[in-house]
Amino acid sequence: GNSVTQMEGPVTLSEEAFLTINCTYTATGYPSLFWYVQYPGEGLQLLLKATKADDKGSNKGFEATYRKETTSFHLEKGSVQVSDSAVYFCALLTGGFKTIFGAGTRLFVKA
Amino acid sequence: DVKVTQSSRYLVKRTGEKVFLECVQDMDHENMFWYRQDPGLGLRLIYFSYDVKMKEKGDIPEGYSVSREKKERFSLILESASTNQTSMYLCASSLGGLAGAYEQYFGPGTRLTVT
Repeated sequence: GNSVTQMEGPVTLSEEAFLTINCTYTATGYPSLFWYVQYPGEGLQLLLKATKADDKGSNKGFEATYRKETTSFHLEKGSVQVSDSAVYFCALLTGGFKTIFGAGTRLFVKA
Repeated sequence: DVKVTQSSRYLVKRTGEKVFLECVQDMDHENMFWYRQDPGLGLRLIYFSYDVKMKEKGDIPEGYSVSREKKERFSLILESASTNQTSMYLCASSLGGLAGAYEQYFGPGTRLTVT
């Protein structure tokens, strides 16, 4: 079946450090891939998405590239800020209605 | 901007009570979803609806039911609340159609405590 695996947290970084959160997936067909972010006390919101192989999604300095050959969609940011502290969820959608979410990775950024 | 609102941010109920969680979206989305979020378990889909009066079970429907009488409103019902239903409940909506890569828009969540 379809599944998403992302690195366990928490991830703790100092401000201005480079961020990578790994995400790999298993899916039949050609899924669309998403990163959602959940700030403390809020629901999830879309951070970025990619709908086909080699697409790069980007938003707010975050980037992720859809790699079909490695079934990966790793999230990166060159310089994190304290305000980036949140939980990040990788997700996939393969036709139908059901989005499959990873378990989430909590990020703490220290000033 | 899409807005998904949930009727309560925090709710405390007693075991055995019937509990209604309401969700309203204002962007004419076809699809609506209810999830519960628990530490270490991520998001788990309870029910979803792809049209008015249509519903499908998700991964953990036991102990829950849903109602969608109007397109903008999707209600989650706990028929007889139990302590293991203490959780954060998230509602979401998205555009419809099988061909679309449509992201979901989430409400702020309802933290339900059953005592």
